[in-house]
Amino acid sequence: SQKIEQNSEALNIQEGKTATLTCNYTNYSPAYLQWYRQDPGRGPVFLLLIRENEKEKRKERLKVTFDTTLKQSLFHITASQPADSATYLCALGGGGDSNYQLIWGAGTKLIIKP
Amino acid sequence: DGGITQSPKYLFRKEGQNVTLSCEQNLNHDAMYWYRQDPGQGLRLIYYSQIVNDFQKGDIAEGYSVSREKKESFPLTVTSAQKNPTAFYLCASSMMRQGFQPQHFGDGTRLSIL
Repeated sequence: SQKIEQNSEALNIQEGKTATLTCNYTNYSPAYLQWYRQDPGRGPVFLLLIRENEKEKRKERLKVTFDTTLKQSLFHITASQPADSATYLCALGGGGDSNYQLIWGAGTKLIIKP
Repeated sequence: DGGITQSPKYLFRKEGQNVTLSCEQNLNHDAMYWYRQDPGQGLRLIYYSQIVNDFQKGDIAEGYSVSREKKESFPLTVTSAQKNPTAFYLCASSMMRQGFQPQHFGDGTRLSIL
């Protein structure tokens, strides 16, 4: 069955450093990969989308890479700030007969320490 | 501002009771979705709708029902047949265009059993 794995343990990063989160998947060939941010008690908020034919996407301090050979996406936050602390979710879509459905990872909690 | 409104924020269900969660959007999106979020798991799709008066089951539809009588509204009923309803429920919407579009989420309803 299709499976997505994100680090289940929280990631603690010192303010100002680069935070790198990992999303691995198996048994799936997505056309798109998306990253979302979720704060406690709130709904996820869309951050970035990267397509299967794109290697890298950037938006301000955020960078996403997508390696379809390794079946992995990396999500980087440079010059991290305490306000970046949240849970980050990856989601895959567009593979096969998906009907616009997304397959979601469980998320990685990121803590940026001042 | 456009967005998705879910209500109530907290809901308690008694044994044998059906409860309905509200979801309204003013983004003029065609597609709407209901997800369930449990600790340590990715979002799981309950139902989705791509057009008024039409909806499809997701991966965990048993014990739930929906309706889509208006483009703006997609209420979810948790029936007494759902034996483990305690979870955080998220409603989302997206445009229906060529290629995958990001999903926009409400801030969720937390359902608990009394």
